Amino acid sequence: AQKITQTQPGMFVQEKEAVTLDCTYDTSDPSYGLFWYKQPSSGEMIFLIYQGSYDQQNATEGRYSLNFQKARKSANLVISASQLGDSAMYFCAMRGGLSGSARQLTFGSGTQLTVLP
Amino acid sequence: DAEITQSPRHKITETGRQVTLACHQTWNHNNMFWYRQDLGHGLRLIHYSYGVQDTNKGEVSDGYSVSRSNTEDLPLTLESAASSQTSVYFCASSERWNNEQFFGPGTRLTVL
Repeated sequence: AQKITQTQPGMFVQEKEAVTLDCTYDTSDPSYGLFWYKQPSSGEMIFLIYQGSYDQQNATEGRYSLNFQKARKSANLVISASQLGDSAMYFCAMRGGLSGSARQLTFGSGTQLTVLP
Repeated sequence: DAEITQSPRHKITETGRQVTLACHQTWNHNNMFWYRQDLGHGLRLIHYSYGVQDTNKGEVSDGYSVSRSNTEDLPLTLESAASSQTSVYFCASSERWNNEQFFGPGTRLTVL
């Protein structure tokens, strides 16, 4: 079974500083994908970044980067130069590569990030 | 622009009533999903569909059903609403099963 763990229920960061949100995963599937989503207070789920298990490079999307350490089974999200608008709940999610239910997204419990002015 | 919509956005119902939540996407995606979000649990998968006439159970499917008669819509039905089904419900779609999923705005359901 797939499992995603986000151990930081809440995080604070000063505006313009970088912040790392932790995510560890567990799977026996050799092929899998890792996703990060942002959920602002308005409630919508916004896709941020994706990393495939066979990707050689760490994924980057603007100010977001994914620190993928396969041996440690971690996929931490790094937000550089934090902005007040980054205050939100962040979810890590994983999907496997096998057929059936393993292909579906499994979500972590989320980390509430607050950016301080 | 393509989008995914949900209706209603808010619903209050009584225990035992049948409730249907609508999900409509104009992305022309084959894959559609229903999740519920509860405090402390993140999002949990209820049902999903890989295409017309295809439906599959997710992690928390008891008490819910879906049908897929066309590409655009995946309605979620609560056969007999229970207070434990009070939650926020999200619909999502993706182009391929391993792509990122795009989410609708959510439906807040309260069962009294």
